[in-house]
Order: sequence, then structure tokens, then C-alpha cells
Amino acid sequence: DTGVSQNPRHKITKRGQNVTFRCDPISEHNRLYWYRQTLGQGPEFLTYFQNEAQLEKSRLLSDRFSAERPKGSFSTLEIQRTEQGDSAMYLCASSPHRGRGTEAFFGQGTRLTVV
Amino acid sequence: ELKVEQNPLFLSMQEGKNYTIYCNYSTTSDRLYWYRQDPGKSLESLFVLLSNGAVKQEGRLMASLDTKARLSTLHITAAVHDLSATYFCAVDTVSGAGSYQLTFGKGTKLSVIP
Repeated sequence: DTGVSQNPRHKITKRGQNVTFRCDPISEHNRLYWYRQTLGQGPEFLTYFQNEAQLEKSRLLSDRFSAERPKGSFSTLEIQRTEQGDSAMYLCASSPHRGRGTEAFFGQGTRLTVV
Repeated sequence: ELKVEQNPLFLSMQEGKNYTIYCNYSTTSDRLYWYRQDPGKSLESLFVLLSNGAVKQEGRLMASLDTKARLSTLHITAAVHDLSATYFCAVDTVSGAGSYQLTFGKGTKLSVIP
């Protein structure tokens, strides 16, 4: 399977714990995005990487959130001191670097439940 | 701030009927995407619309883009149960820092009933 891969698919954690998610984009895709989706809503942009450079972070991404993409390959999203409001589906997407108008391909997502 | 509004948000339609979902957005853009999402699943790309007047068709679905009106439509012809899903439109923007992002509407939950 050569699609966007996310792990884990599901994560249940206690409030206050740290969690880390991983995203493996489609090979050779330079662009990588993280989105968050809550029930009944559309995905909300969190952050964007072009190769290893994080070019933008949404205001939704508080200081407890950090994302990395070492060497421009896979990416990780870490949430520290989780809160119940962090419960959501976290989606990763990637697209090739061909200017605008290139569709983004989404992974299956990581569903986070904070109890 | 870019706003993307879809309507209706909920749509229940009978098999065999036609209907249109509307997507309005608040900024100049000539890049718009439609995605489908099944319950508990990720997003599947349906259409990529890259210019004013673009029209794409796949099976019973047809999407169009009017950049002057800042409006895209997704038309459903002779609906079948398999089309039941949530449909999202998303507008593509780029910031001055060269960051690309998609801004999504809230989605239209479509239920096709016999």
C-alpha cells in the first residue's frame, strides 16, 4: 500500500499524559499537513511542512502541541499534558510539490480519546 | 479569515432523485476540492477544480466551479444508496510564507433512502 500511513489508529489516554502520533506520507511527496477533525465538523488545519521545514502553524496549535518532520520524511505530532478537549481525529495528508492545485491525500487518521 | 460555507448541512434524499450541494467561500481562489468521507473513515478525494468554469464528472456526481461568484456545486444525479456519506468542499490558499493549506466547509451529510 503506497498511501499515507498513520499510527496508531486509535489512542486512549488519561488526561495529563503525553501522546505522539506518526505519519508516513506518500513517497516523494514534499508537502505534509496535519489536520484535526472533531465530530460533525470539517478538518481544521494545524500545521504544514515543506520538506523538513515547518512553514506554518495554526493558532489552534497551542504550546502543548509540537510537530516535526526530520529529514523531510515521516512526521510526528506530539501533544503534551493532554486535555479532554484534545479528543479528536488527527489527520495527516501529503501532496507532491507541483505548485498549487495539487490534491492532498489523507491518511486513515489517529483517533484520540482523552479520559 | 477565509470562510467556507456548505449548504445544506444535512440532506436526505430518495433514490433516483437529483440534488445539488452548494459551497460558497469568502476569498479569491481558483482551486477547490471535493472530498467524500464515510463514517469513521478518512477523506477520499473526489474532484479537483483548478480554474473558473471547470466542470468534472464521475459517475453520478458532477462538480463545477465559478470563481467569480466564489461558488462550487456538487450535483448528484439519480442518487443511489452507495452515495450516502459526508461530502466536504475545501478551498486551497497559500500564505505569504509559502504555506499551503486547505480550508474545509463543515460538510454535507447525505443520506439516500430507498
